[in-house]
Amino acid sequence: GENVEQHPSTLSVQEGDSAVIKCTYSDSASNYFPWYKQELGKRPQLIIDIRSNVGEKKDQRIAVTLNKTAKHFSLHITETQPEDSAVYFCAATNSGYALNFGKGTSLLVTP
Amino acid sequence: KAGVTQTPRYLIKTRGQQVTLSCSPISGHRSVSWYQQTPGQGLQFLFEYFSETQRNKGNFPGRFSGRQFSNSRSEMNVSTLELGDSALYLCASSSTSGGNEQFFGPGTRLTVL
Repeated sequence: GENVEQHPSTLSVQEGDSAVIKCTYSDSASNYFPWYKQELGKRPQLIIDIRSNVGEKKDQRIAVTLNKTAKHFSLHITETQPEDSAVYFCAATNSGYALNFGKGTSLLVTP
Repeated sequence: KAGVTQTPRYLIKTRGQQVTLSCSPISGHRSVSWYQQTPGQGLQFLFEYFSETQRNKGNFPGRFSGRQFSNSRSEMNVSTLELGDSALYLCASSSTSGGNEQFFGPGTRLTVL
């Protein structure tokens, strides 16, 4: 089955800096790659996603890049703010609805 | 539209018992997926239901089962509970027309003593 690895497991940045989280996947048939943000005690929420026919997608301060050849994808957050502090999960799937998640990255943005 | 709801929110059981968790998807969503979240293993896919049929299944033992009703509401059942089943159980619903976005419920926190 699909195996998704996520790095780093923890990340601390200063407010205003950029943060990058990287994921690799094993199943070359995977075609949908969402990123979820989970604040403490809350449910995961989708922040951005990308499909295998696109190499990059941007939404304000958040961008995701996908390299299908290398089987990795990354989340980029620019101009980080304290409210970006949360756990971020990447996921991959070839079936649309059965998400295989990475282990998560705990992001801390310090003022 | 109301979001995904799950009941109960918290549950305490003892080893060997069984438990049933319920999930009501967003109105109009026909796909419901279930995930187990633990500090050690993260988020793991259990199964997905669409139109009352299990469409995908993760790598969990047969003690974990589920079903979906005609109104798209879903239940999952865990029999013969073990200490390791203590976790946050999340369900997520998706509209099958257009994107794959899954909307998560608040989860049911299960503690097995």
